[in-house]
Amino acid sequence: EAGVTQFPSHSVIEKGQTVTLRCDPISGHDNLYWYRRVMGKEIKFLLHFVKESKQDESGMPNNRFLAERTGGTYSTLKVQPAELEDSGVYFCASSLPGLAGRETQYFGPGTRLLVL
Amino acid sequence: DQQVKQNSPSLSVQEGRISILNCDYTNSMFDYFLWYKKYPAEGPTFLISISSIKDKNEDGRFTVFLNKSAKHLSLHIVPSQPGDSAVYFCAASDYRDDKIIFGKGTRLHILP
Repeated sequence: EAGVTQFPSHSVIEKGQTVTLRCDPISGHDNLYWYRRVMGKEIKFLLHFVKESKQDESGMPNNRFLAERTGGTYSTLKVQPAELEDSGVYFCASSLPGLAGRETQYFGPGTRLLVL
Repeated sequence: DQQVKQNSPSLSVQEGRISILNCDYTNSMFDYFLWYKKYPAEGPTFLISISSIKDKNEDGRFTVFLNKSAKHLSLHIVPSQPGDSAVYFCAASDYRDDKIIFGKGTRLHILP
């Protein structure tokens, strides 16, 4: 069974540009999460989708970040315009529906974003 | 302010010995605790978890201990093997939502 996949694996952009990250969750996983790790710091929650609905977006840094999950399958996270402090590794995770969702989240390999 | 704290950035342990990784938390609402393992260029991988109604959970070489009164948990790996060299993240969640709160991680080096 395929795991969580993320694209691209790396992205280097200039300040002010736009970047879109994609996450494909494990098939059948209604829950999809975005996290971010800034270098040397903890992995921080950004938001949580249940199917196509945003369940919790309390971790989104500001309105330069826009997450979507049309159709409840893959998700995109757009940063527009990107700032230097947005650099980090963006992880996507997915989990089964219901109570099982809080027990085990399966993480993708991450997208390493560098804003110059 | 960090709700999950891993105060040791790194730890070196001889192969075959016990590795003990520690974690403290501040939020009394946390009722579920997890340990994730991460290799370079990969995402975190779930390792073991424990509910707040227990004080110990064991899975093969891995055991997690929870001390609720001290708001402390630890991960024991015995015996330690070379493949255990990785970054270990302590994490927690509370019953009100699914988001996981992570610590900064501890890098474990298993020495030959």
